[in-house]
Order: sequence, then C-alpha cells, then structure tokens
Amino acid sequence: DVKVTQSSRYLVKRTGEKVFLECVQDMDHENMFWYRQDPGLGLRLIYFSYDVKMKEKGDIPEGYSVSREKKERFSLILESASTNQTSMYLCASTEMPIEGLAGVDTQYFGPGTRLTVL
Amino acid sequence: ILNVEQSPQSLHVQEGDSTNFTCSFPSSNFYALHWYRWETAKSPEALFVMTLNGDEKKKGRISATLNTKEGYSYLYIKGSQPEDSATYLCAFLDFGNEKLTFGTGTRLTIIP
Repeated sequence: DVKVTQSSRYLVKRTGEKVFLECVQDMDHENMFWYRQDPGLGLRLIYFSYDVKMKEKGDIPEGYSVSREKKERFSLILESASTNQTSMYLCASTEMPIEGLAGVDTQYFGPGTRLTVL
Repeated sequence: ILNVEQSPQSLHVQEGDSTNFTCSFPSSNFYALHWYRWETAKSPEALFVMTLNGDEKKKGRISATLNTKEGYSYLYIKGSQPEDSATYLCAFLDFGNEKLTFGTGTRLTIIP
C-alpha cells in the first residue's frame, strides 16, 4: 500500500514565523502535490512537482514556496506565516502516468496537517 | 476558473437506505473525473477515476456514472452503513491541464 505521511497532524505557529510542512511518500512516485482545504472551498492546489528539484505553481502559490531535494520528500514552506494561512494542508502523490496528464492518475493523500497561525 | 459543483452540500441518510449525489463540471475539454472519500481524521481515499462518457464503475456498494456531454457524474451508495459516513469529493481534469479542480464535497452522515 502506498503510504503518504505528513510530519505533523496539528501545528500552531505565530504570525511571522517560518513554517515547514514535510511530506514523505514511500512508493517511488514521480509527482507530488500540496493542497489546502478551507471551509466552503474545494481543495486548492498550492504547488506541485514532477521530479526532484522541479516545481510548478498551482492556483494559490502566493506566500508559499516548496522544496523537493529527494524524490520521496516534498516540503511546503511558509516564509512568514500569516493568519490567513490558517488551514488544513494536504499532501498527495501520483505515479508518472504511462501516457497523458499527471492529473489523470489516482492521488494518494496524506492525513493532513491542521495549521493554526496566531 | 473552472466550476465544479457538488450537491447536496450535506446529507443525512438512515442506515440501510440508498442514496446518491451529484458532481457537475464543465462539459467541454473533459479529460477525467475523480471521486474520493474523506473520512474524519483520515486521508482522502480514491474511489474512482473515470475517463469515458457513459462509464459506470463499482466498488462494493458504491457505484458511479459519468456523462461528459452534459457535464455530470452521480455517486450511488446502496444500503448505507455507518462506515459510509464521510465527505465525498469529486475532482475534474480538463484536457491540457495538469491540475485537478476539486468540488467542495458532499458531507454524508449515516444515522444508525
């Protein structure tokens, strides 16, 4: 079974702090994604990565950066946390599809990190 | 911005009853439609990925249909059980786009 783990289930940080959210997958997947989920909104893509050291902006990248130094690990960084970044953050991974788009494959999600910024 | 809508937003169903809910998405440039189940305190779990108009997929008591021409998918649950309580998410992928667009989900509660 694919396992996607996230470093923390709950995190409380102060405004202005630098925050690292870590995600690790154990199935050698090529693609990794960071989403946030807020009440009344669907999951929104922050950043994704096709390969080591590669990253692409999603729909809401402002205020975030990412790092993928190793294939299995994808980190989300909040350079200076703000209260509007209080949210549930979900990491996901997919295999490289044989053909077609990365988004066609089943996404395997981590359990989420609920981040509160005070 | 793509519009993916799910209805109803929430639903209470008596144990043993069957139920269904809807995901609506743009009918042009369709590539794939995903369904996920997200139980509280757990990871979202894939149910189906559907790509062909008219597709029907089944997993135990749960099934889904797809109409790409009119832009909707139905998820059916037969004989609901308490363990079916979850939020059900659909996600749309249009051709040429690497990113899924998620709906806001249908929160299903099964009443014992």
